Amino acid sequence: GAGVSQSPRYKVAKRGQDVALRCDPISGHVSLFWYQQALGQGPEFLTYFQNEAQLDKSGLPSDRFFAERPEGSVSTLKIQRTQQEDSAVYLCASSLMSGNTEAFFGQGTRLTVV
Amino acid sequence: QQPVQSPQAVILREGEDAVINCSSSKALYSVHWYRQKHGEAPVFLMILLKGGEQKGHDKISASFNEKKQQSSLYLTASQLSYSGTYFCGTERSGAQKLVFGQGTRLTINP
Repeated sequence: GAGVSQSPRYKVAKRGQDVALRCDPISGHVSLFWYQQALGQGPEFLTYFQNEAQLDKSGLPSDRFFAERPEGSVSTLKIQRTQQEDSAVYLCASSLMSGNTEAFFGQGTRLTVV
Repeated sequence: QQPVQSPQAVILREGEDAVINCSSSKALYSVHWYRQKHGEAPVFLMILLKGGEQKGHDKISASFNEKKQQSSLYLTASQLSYSGTYFCGTERSGAQKLVFGQGTRLTINP
């Protein structure tokens, strides 16, 4: 595609509900990253994939967060039993190679937990 | 460890210059600069690799002093379109992921 596409753009979830956020990276991009951005803050790293392999998940805040990229293309970030502190913008980024290359960000999914 | 950006906010008139600094306490492999406008995706500006290089395009340039673990972004003759929040993202060797600073909000007034 022309750019990184994320869906939905906005999601309102009741506390305790499970949510799934989708990321369509740029075709052919090897690396895919998920970041969490709180209001007025910089993006914070969650997890990193190289093709279908999840090489780094050190930023996932709890075992309620799970990410996958089964075919090395589309990725899904799942949050189980959402809590209010999960409210944030979730950004996906992809890059052609791993390391030292430009990352292209999607517009993000704004998650609000009520 | 999150890099520290300064200043936190800058207000300029169109045509004025600005410098945004990014400092890290850890040894860095590269520094990435992004600009984000409200409600939009961060947009890549440039990457600087260790070696103290300086890069630039148009009227935006940057430097990286690896000994000091510092990078600076220079905006000259600022335009209204430069408004937004600027983030530096630091990468440590082999880490792949970027650790972003808290951002510098730049406002350009006509």
